[in-house]
Amino acid sequence: DTGVSQDPRHKITKRGQNVTFRCDPISEHNRLYWYRQTLGQGPEFLTYFQNEAQLEKSRLLSDRFSAERPKGSFSTLEIQRTEQGDSAMYLCASSAGQGVENIQYFGAGTRLSVL
Amino acid sequence: DQQVKQNSPSLSVQEGRISILNCDYTNSMFDYFLWYKKYPAEGPTFLISISSIKDKNEDGRFTVFLNKSAKHLSLHIVPSQPGDSAVYFCAASKIQGAQKLVFGQGTRLTINP
Repeated sequence: DTGVSQDPRHKITKRGQNVTFRCDPISEHNRLYWYRQTLGQGPEFLTYFQNEAQLEKSRLLSDRFSAERPKGSFSTLEIQRTEQGDSAMYLCASSAGQGVENIQYFGAGTRLSVL
Repeated sequence: DQQVKQNSPSLSVQEGRISILNCDYTNSMFDYFLWYKKYPAEGPTFLISISSIKDKNEDGRFTVFLNKSAKHLSLHIVPSQPGDSAVYFCAASKIQGAQKLVFGQGTRLTINP
């Protein structure tokens, strides 16, 4: 059983650079979510996909952020022209679909540090 | 606008005793609630959930209670063990639609031997 996998685990970048993170969900899960967590806070929703369709985006997701899930399997989250305020843990979660027991399973996250 | 609140940033409990973690929510549209546990350098791990049609759900040492009229839920861990030391997050969602999770700020639980 391979859980949700995220790569890289850590990313250090300079302000103004672009970064891309990858998430591989649990294989049979059709829903994929991205969250962001800052120190002392709980995760905050960014966006979600059902299969390859991006169905909802948070207002937290500025124009510099873009997410894709091209074949309904893995997903990428790109941040362009990074700012120091983008420093956070970026978490990916997947779930099997809609229903009462729609539990989201999380990866270990990618910690981004913008210098 | 903090829709889910965990008002205790930290809690210290002696091993073997009961740990009670609390969570309040403001949005009456939430109808599904979950608790996650998080160790350092790991993602949140699902513990237990409850839908709004129930007021209690048990799984081993973990029990979640839901009081819809008070918009309050709690997680009971008994007996508490040293391995339970972690940050606990309460999360809420709606069963229909995106089912995105809205998290509280977390409570750091420390179990003392």
